Amino acid sequence: EAAVTQSPRNKVAVTGGKVTLSCNQTNNHNNMYWYRQDTGHGLRLIHYSYGAGSTEKGDIPDGYKASRPSQENFSLILELATPSQTSVYFCASGDRVNQAPLFGEGTRLSVL
Amino acid sequence: AQSVTQPDARVTVSEGASLQLRCKYSYSATPYLFWYVQYPRQGLQLLLKYYSGDPVVQGVNSFEAEFSKSNSSFHLQKASVHWSDSAVYFCALSPSSNNRIFFGDGTQLVVKP
Repeated sequence: EAAVTQSPRNKVAVTGGKVTLSCNQTNNHNNMYWYRQDTGHGLRLIHYSYGAGSTEKGDIPDGYKASRPSQENFSLILELATPSQTSVYFCASGDRVNQAPLFGEGTRLSVL
Repeated sequence: AQSVTQPDARVTVSEGASLQLRCKYSYSATPYLFWYVQYPRQGLQLLLKYYSGDPVVQGVNSFEAEFSKSNSSFHLQKASVHWSDSAVYFCALSPSSNNRIFFGDGTQLVVKP
């Protein structure tokens, strides 16, 4: 069954610390996405990838890095976490436009 | 540029009533269109999608949506809502030229018993 798995599901970090959010998909999809969701802003695209080794900036990339070491894995990295990055983060995977992206369950990040 | 507008942040209906959630899009050609639903503390789940052909598309759980090129709209409808339909609904668009997905801000649906 197609699936997108995010870890951790919940994370509390300290300001200035490094945070890595992981995403794994077993769908053999080429494309993967990282979004954040905040009240009043809907879903905003941070980074995305078209395949292993590629990363592209989305609409709000500042303060975030992404890594796609393999087809299955896509990580979001906060090198110096700030309280403004407290949010819910969603990973999604898709393959061409004809397959609407599948979403993970989300990661709740609190930066104190 | 492309965008999606969901003009209603919150819609309240009574159980058993009909429902329409509005979605307007902006794009120079016919895009790929989607409706997703998000239940509390969960990810987004696809309800239905439109690529071409019949402008009325059927989705899961008796939802349907109608594409209108002249109105640049893709409204979601359901004949009779159930309390379990309470959730946030997102309309989304993807241009035919790339794989990015653009989301509206969502509509919170509250179904009263």
